[in-house]
Amino acid sequence: GQQVMQIPQYQHVQEGEDFTTYCNSSTTLSNIQWYKQRPGGHPVFLIQLVKSGEVKKQKRLTFQFGEAKKNSSLHITATQTTDVGTYFCAGPRTGGFKTIFGAGTRLFVKA
Amino acid sequence: GAGVSQSPSNKVTEKGKDVELRCDPISGHTALYWYRQRLGQGLEFLIYFQGNSAPDKSGLPSDRFSAERTGESVSTLTIQRTQQEDSAVYLCASNPGGSRLTDTQYFGPGTRLTVL
Repeated sequence: GQQVMQIPQYQHVQEGEDFTTYCNSSTTLSNIQWYKQRPGGHPVFLIQLVKSGEVKKQKRLTFQFGEAKKNSSLHITATQTTDVGTYFCAGPRTGGFKTIFGAGTRLFVKA
Repeated sequence: GAGVSQSPSNKVTEKGKDVELRCDPISGHTALYWYRQRLGQGLEFLIYFQGNSAPDKSGLPSDRFSAERTGESVSTLTIQRTQQEDSAVYLCASNPGGSRLTDTQYFGPGTRLTVL
């Protein structure tokens, strides 16, 4: 069935280092969303990308949607301890409304 | 409040008991989802409601799990004869629905279920 895969599963970085998580779908997506879940919290919507090749920035976060609309990435420049958490990508199931989430990338930032 | 609310926030129960979890979506949101998240794991889809359409129950793990929604308002997730493997955080999310380009989901704080 349709799958959304994320890598890496987790990453440890030193504060100030950059971080990237990658998301790959087995099928073309009409859009892709990114969520952040802080430890002990619930997922919070970050952004939605819709267009092929789209790039959006939110301060130190850069989101990209691949040309084929099957992959996406989230890049954080100069990580801070406040970036700690799990980052999920999600996309709509083909032919339906159910959203499929990736397993998430857990980011640890050492001060 | 304007967000998704869930109750209870924590529930501890004994194996074999039934539990009922509640979700109040954002007013006007026609779409409602239930997910299960085990400790340190990703989001496992359980069930999806969209307006008055038949719910998508394809994610329910067993017939011990059921969910209802009255119109476009409150939803309840019921787990019968709870097992220890049911221990997890149960998250509810809603979105405006009606448009496939608006899939943004707004999550509630979750109910942490512990089955002893």
